[in-house]
Amino acid sequence: DAKTTQPPSMDCAEGRAANLPCNHSTISGNEYVYWYRQIHSQGPQYIIHGLKNNETNEMASLIITEDRKSSTLILPHATLRDTAVYYCIVRDNNAGNMLTFGGGTRLMVKP
Amino acid sequence: NAGVMQNPRHLVRRRGQEARLRCSPMKGHSHVYWYRQLPEEGLKFMVYLQKENIIDESGMPKERFSAEFPKEGPSILRIQQVVRGDSAAYFCASSPPQGLQETQYFGPGTRLLVL
Repeated sequence: DAKTTQPPSMDCAEGRAANLPCNHSTISGNEYVYWYRQIHSQGPQYIIHGLKNNETNEMASLIITEDRKSSTLILPHATLRDTAVYYCIVRDNNAGNMLTFGGGTRLMVKP
Repeated sequence: NAGVMQNPRHLVRRRGQEARLRCSPMKGHSHVYWYRQLPEEGLKFMVYLQKENIIDESGMPKERFSAEFPKEGPSILRIQQVVRGDSAAYFCASSPPQGLQETQYFGPGTRLLVL
């Protein structure tokens, strides 16, 4: 079972920031938070990951709360091409290297 | 730098036939993972392989499914005697051989349709 909870869907206006929340209240100290997205049944695309510090790359920013029980993925200027299902995944070392995908958040970017 | 490649992208089989799905990892990657996505569902882990070794096959159905990653050539996911319930998108991912937390990068998938 996925160890994360995400809202099933969100809307965002084009050009505005999209803030996608994720709860992972049972995360353990050595588990990372990963974000992937899947655009219309294409292969999942890696976005970003982090352990406890905030992270930023060319695609997005990841904000992890101090207690690590939740995080937020931020797409600073959403475009129509960012419409996708976004998956927040906690990497469970005890389960080996697999990624466990939950339901994700279906983000709809609207003009 | 080419990404993960999968072929064929689409595969149609009749019930009882065999399906072979191929995955070529990214250059420098020696870890391969297979996931299945049934219609309107999320991705489910199937198997994790390194060169010539199956490391974790806990997500593989016990019958008809097998996977290999030979010393030379792509990884192969083989489904024997396909049934309609095998219709799904099969995704391969690869990662470099440097540790448990290495990022997995996905291919475009193979969409299998069983008639």
